[in-house]
Amino acid sequence: AQKVTQAQTEISVVEKEDVTLDCVYETRDTTYYLFWYKQPPSGELVFLIRRNSFDEQNEISGRYSWNFQKSTSSFNFTITASQVVDSAVYFCALSEASGTYKYIFGTGTRLKVLA
Amino acid sequence: DAGITQSPRHKVTETGTPVTLRCHQTENHRYMYWYRQDPGHGLRLIHYSYGVKDTDKGEVSDGYSVSRSKTEDFLLTLESATSSQTSVYFCAITPGTSIGDEQFFGPGTRLTVL
Repeated sequence: AQKVTQAQTEISVVEKEDVTLDCVYETRDTTYYLFWYKQPPSGELVFLIRRNSFDEQNEISGRYSWNFQKSTSSFNFTITASQVVDSAVYFCALSEASGTYKYIFGTGTRLKVLA
Repeated sequence: DAGITQSPRHKVTETGTPVTLRCHQTENHRYMYWYRQDPGHGLRLIHYSYGVKDTDKGEVSDGYSVSRSKTEDFLLTLESATSSQTSVYFCAITPGTSIGDEQFFGPGTRLTVL
């Protein structure tokens, strides 16, 4: 069965600190897809990144970076030099390629960046 | 902008009344989803659709039904609302037809059942 665990319920950091949000997943499939979404205080859900199981290269986009490690079933998200605008709830999600079109989300991590 | 709208955006209703939430998309996407978001639970899939009149259950489908009579509309119905169905409901689409495409979400509907 597929499962996504975001063990960090809430993280507080001071502006300009680096912060890593953890995501651990479980799946029996060899082909699967991982995602991160951001939900700012305004409530909308914003897609950040998609990764397939065959691509373990780390991804960097500005201050955001993602570390995908199949050996530990983790897909962690790091924000470098955090800013107040990064304050949001972040969700990790998993989709398996085994014939269904379902997505499983973690419970989310609330990030508070203090000025 | 994936062209997804939800209506109503806010609703307060009483226990036992039927409620229908509407998700509308303008891009003829095949796959549509309904989720509920609750504190401590994240997003949980209620139902999804892979085409007109083709739907399937998610992990929290009890008490909910869906219908999709045309590509652009996906309706979620609470036949007899209960207080446990107080939640924020999000509709989502996947823009492609491949498994594992990213999802895009509507703005959400906040439902309160008194």
